Amino acid sequence: EAQVTQNPRYLITVTGKKLTVTCSQNMNHEYMSWYRQDPGLGLRQIYYSMNVEVTDKGDVPEGYKVSRKEKRNFPLILESPSPNQTSLYFCASSLTGPETQYFGPGTRLLVL
Amino acid sequence: GIQVEQSPPDLILQEGANSTLRCNFSDSVNNLQWFHQNPWGQLINLFYIPSGTKQNGRLSATTVATERYSLLYISSSQTTDSGVYFCAVELGETSGSRLTFGEGTQLTVNP
Repeated sequence: EAQVTQNPRYLITVTGKKLTVTCSQNMNHEYMSWYRQDPGLGLRQIYYSMNVEVTDKGDVPEGYKVSRKEKRNFPLILESPSPNQTSLYFCASSLTGPETQYFGPGTRLLVL
Repeated sequence: GIQVEQSPPDLILQEGANSTLRCNFSDSVNNLQWFHQNPWGQLINLFYIPSGTKQNGRLSATTVATERYSLLYISSSQTTDSGVYFCAVELGETSGSRLTFGEGTQLTVNP
């Protein structure tokens, strides 16, 4: 089954404790992206990747890091999480660009 | 940066009614997409429509790029159409492949 998986689905952590949210797709897609969704602000793009070893900033990259060492995986790293990073995070992938993206189920993060 | 505005912010319909959702954007864009987020949070891409008109079942979308707007039509609405509808735009080549989303239209379809 073609899918985008994210782990964990739910996470409660404390300020400053490094965490990684994993994203994996099994469709051999080149394009992958991370978004955060907050009430009243809609979806905002954090980072995206056009292919392996190619990443670029979205609208809200501050406080996040990503890496794309292999095509299928695109982890999101919070080196020192803060409460303002409490949010619902979505990973997505598509064949070559941001069109026709497939979304993961979301990761709900609470930073205390 | 580019502004993406969606209207109306909220819409309540009776099952079977038709509706039109609008997306205005403030600058030239490479492409425009419509997404649906169901009440359980799942996001699905509906249309990739930089210009022209596309149809998929009861849904159709029209983008008039020169006038910087797009419309999403839902005909004979069903309760399963409930959720939030987002439009998103991809800016020109100098901005890479970033996507900027509108704040969404919350649609509720009552039986």
